[in-house]
Amino acid sequence: GQQLNQSPQSMFIQEGEDVSMNCTSSSIFNTWLWYKQEPGEGPVLLIALYKAGELTSNGRLTAQFGITRKDSFLNISASIPSDVGIYFCAGEPHGNKLVFGAGTILRVKS
Amino acid sequence: NAGVTQTPKFRVLKTGQSMTLLCAQDMNHEYMYWYRQDPGMGLRLIHYSVGEGTTAKGEVPDGYNVSRLKKQNFLLGLESAAPSQTSVYFCASTDTFGGLNSPLHFGNGTRLTVT
Repeated sequence: GQQLNQSPQSMFIQEGEDVSMNCTSSSIFNTWLWYKQEPGEGPVLLIALYKAGELTSNGRLTAQFGITRKDSFLNISASIPSDVGIYFCAGEPHGNKLVFGAGTILRVKS
Repeated sequence: NAGVTQTPKFRVLKTGQSMTLLCAQDMNHEYMYWYRQDPGMGLRLIHYSVGEGTTAKGEVPDGYNVSRLKKQNFLLGLESAAPSQTSVYFCASTDTFGGLNSPLHFGNGTRLTVT
């Protein structure tokens, strides 16, 4: 089936640092989404991208839909302790289903 | 407005036992999904439904069955549990598929351990 490669697997950063994570796919996606999961909860949508090359921001978060439609990145600027969690990329190859990456675990040292 | 509610929150089963996980949503959503989450593997789609009375297989359907008899409920059944089904199970729903205007709403998960 479809596979998304998400990296890095985990990050342990100092508060105030910027964070960057990315996802790549072997096939083209129509939509790229980024979710955040906090402990004991389900994932929550952060940003959705619909067009190749699209760059979208949501507060301190910025995400881009790669030109080839096979990759996306998420940046978090000036990280704060509440940014901790697992970040998932997800893509819609076709149909009413999403494929998720393995997740990036973010820990922030204050 | 409760959103997506999953019951139970935790369960321990012995190999071979059966159980049903219940997902209920009060948002009148058409689409409902069952995922399992395992360390290092992200969320993998088990089964999904695009409307009352319909179900379809996802990426990892073996060993599971589902039913969507009522629009608001999506049941996930394990007929004969195996240790490989130890996981955290998430239910999600959405109104119309796609993006920020209709994101997937997730429940808080059911942690299942099969011994």
